[in-house]
Amino acid sequence: DGGITQSPKYLFRKEGQNVTLSCEQNLNHDAMYWYRQDPGQGLRLIYYSQIVNDFQKGDIAEGYSVSREKKESFPLTVTSAQKNPTAFYLCASSSTRGAGYTFGSGTRLTVV
Amino acid sequence: GDSVTQMEGPVTLSEEAFLTINCTYTATGYPSLFWYVQYPGEGLQLLLKATKADDKGSNKGFEATYRKETTSFHLEKGSVQVSDSAVYFCALTHPNTGNQFYFGTGTSLTVIP
Repeated sequence: DGGITQSPKYLFRKEGQNVTLSCEQNLNHDAMYWYRQDPGQGLRLIYYSQIVNDFQKGDIAEGYSVSREKKESFPLTVTSAQKNPTAFYLCASSSTRGAGYTFGSGTRLTVV
Repeated sequence: GDSVTQMEGPVTLSEEAFLTINCTYTATGYPSLFWYVQYPGEGLQLLLKATKADDKGSNKGFEATYRKETTSFHLEKGSVQVSDSAVYFCALTHPNTGNQFYFGTGTSLTVIP
């Protein structure tokens, strides 16, 4: 079955360390997105990519970086510059025809 | 710019009660409208959608009608179950924004037996 896989489900990081969250899709979707969700809040867009080798900043890109070397993969790196990285991170993908997003099951990152 | 406004929660209902979660939007032209549901610790799942005015999206007993005159897309269910307890997000996408989605802040629903 097609879908989006995020790994790991839970991630712990020490302050000052970079960490990379994985997102892989086999839906043949062109566009991929990263969102951050904090408790009791909505989703905030971090980065998105419409095609391979191209990506744009979202509303809260500071302290994050991404790459899109393959259509199937859109990893997110949370750098030490991100001041408050503890959150639930959601990856999504969509076709360009506006059919809706397909979401992964999320990665919960905790800084210790 | 485009935006979505949802009624604030949390909402607590007894089983078999009627549910309404209000959603209004601001957008130029004709956006597509969506409701997503998020169960605890999981990602979001598409619940229903409508792509043009007066369309009614429906799924699992939930319904929402795209009302352009009131710029609304309220979610309704006639008889909720304990298993409907989740957070519900209203969202829109607009062709002019390159399929980028705009989400509401979410409404938490708890259904008690």
